[in-house]
Amino acid sequence: EPEVTQTPSHQVTQMGQEVILRCVPISNHLYFYWYRQILGQKVEFLVSFYNNEISEKSEIFDDQFSVERPDGSNFTLKIRSTKLEDSAMYFCASSEWQAINYGYTFGSGTRLTVV
Amino acid sequence: AQSVTQPDIHITVSEGASLELRCNYSYGATPYLFWYVQSPGQGLQLLLKYFSGDTLVQGIKGFEAEFKRSQSSFNLRKPSVHWSDAAEYFCAVGAFLNSGGSNYKLTFGKGTLLTVNP
Repeated sequence: EPEVTQTPSHQVTQMGQEVILRCVPISNHLYFYWYRQILGQKVEFLVSFYNNEISEKSEIFDDQFSVERPDGSNFTLKIRSTKLEDSAMYFCASSEWQAINYGYTFGSGTRLTVV
Repeated sequence: AQSVTQPDIHITVSEGASLELRCNYSYGATPYLFWYVQSPGQGLQLLLKYFSGDTLVQGIKGFEAEFKRSQSSFNLRKPSVHWSDAAEYFCAVGAFLNSGGSNYKLTFGKGTLLTVNP
């Protein structure tokens, strides 16, 4: 079964450093997403990406965050200057056309720890 | 705005017993409802979804869920739990994005951790 692949599975970074979380969505999917889950809290929507642009972002997704699909296969989330409160599990997901009929496919997540 | 409540943070059942995980939602229109499962170190796997039609939906791994509009509920059930069902279960409601099309975002509940005793 096709999978969404996320790397790395765990990243530790120092506060103020830039991090890039990487995702390889399913090849024929058209919509791409990032969600995050702070420990003990709900999984929260960050951003949706379609046709090489952001289609919607949450209030969490401020100027410190950016997304990119640099080469037609990878989908990245960049946090420009990490804060302690960015520590969370970050999930990438993708979905195909008529997305709501089929649901998302999520990756296994990247656990980001900011120290 | 939509929201999801999962009242039970942690449930423990014996293997072979029946299971019901509760989910209540708040959404202004016809809801698109989902149940996901997350095993340790794994991603979120879709168990089942409800869009319209028959209010009892069947999913993978022997799970089913019933949509009850009058109670704003979408409870997940399994008649006989297996040890491999131990995981965290998330209920979610989908809402189309303002950008249009069939793109949508999920609003999740806090999850219910299921422990299965042998």
